[in-house]
Amino acid sequence: GENVEQHPSTLSVQEGDSAVIKCTYSDSASNYFPWYKQELGKRPQLIIDIRSNVGEKKDQRIAVTLNKTAKHFSLHITETQPEDSAVYFCAATPRSSASKIIFGSGTRLSIRP
Amino acid sequence: EAQVTQNPRYLITVTGKKLTVTCSQNMNHEYMSWYRQDPGLGLRQIYYSMNVEVTDKGDVPEGYKVSRKEKRNFPLILESPSPNQTSLYFCASSLWADYNEQFFGPGTRLTVL
Repeated sequence: GENVEQHPSTLSVQEGDSAVIKCTYSDSASNYFPWYKQELGKRPQLIIDIRSNVGEKKDQRIAVTLNKTAKHFSLHITETQPEDSAVYFCAATPRSSASKIIFGSGTRLSIRP
Repeated sequence: EAQVTQNPRYLITVTGKKLTVTCSQNMNHEYMSWYRQDPGLGLRQIYYSMNVEVTDKGDVPEGYKVSRKEKRNFPLILESPSPNQTSLYFCASSLWADYNEQFFGPGTRLTVL
């Protein structure tokens, strides 16, 4: 069935450095790729998303890149700050399963002061 | 205020005792969904609904039921809960399934003894 793999499961970076989280998906017809951030004890919230007709999207310190040929997409956070510490989830909507949403297993990002 | 609400927020119950977790949204969203979150497994979709009276299975539907009699409400029913259903549950809604931000409820932490 459809699958989204997310790596790494944990990531620790120095404050001010960049962080990259990668996801691969199995359904080549997937067309929407959101990223959610979940702070400790809180609900997931959308931080950025990208559609299949776009290769890259930026929003201040956050960017997402999509490689449809390789079936992977990545979240890039630059100039990391303590408030970036959270669990990040990628997701994909496989066209083959009409409106299901498949999430990755999550990445726990820690920012070291 | 636009929001998704869930009740109860915390629940401890015993094996076999039927329970219902309610979910309601006030944003006139068509799409609603239930997820369970377990350590290392990310968010897994249980059931989703594209509109009133239209529901479909996600990746982990076994042991759960849902109904969508009204647009705003999407209750999750556990007819005979078992310990392996101990988890953190999130309800979410979006305008439609595709290309749309999922708005999550605050979560329900369920423990089945």
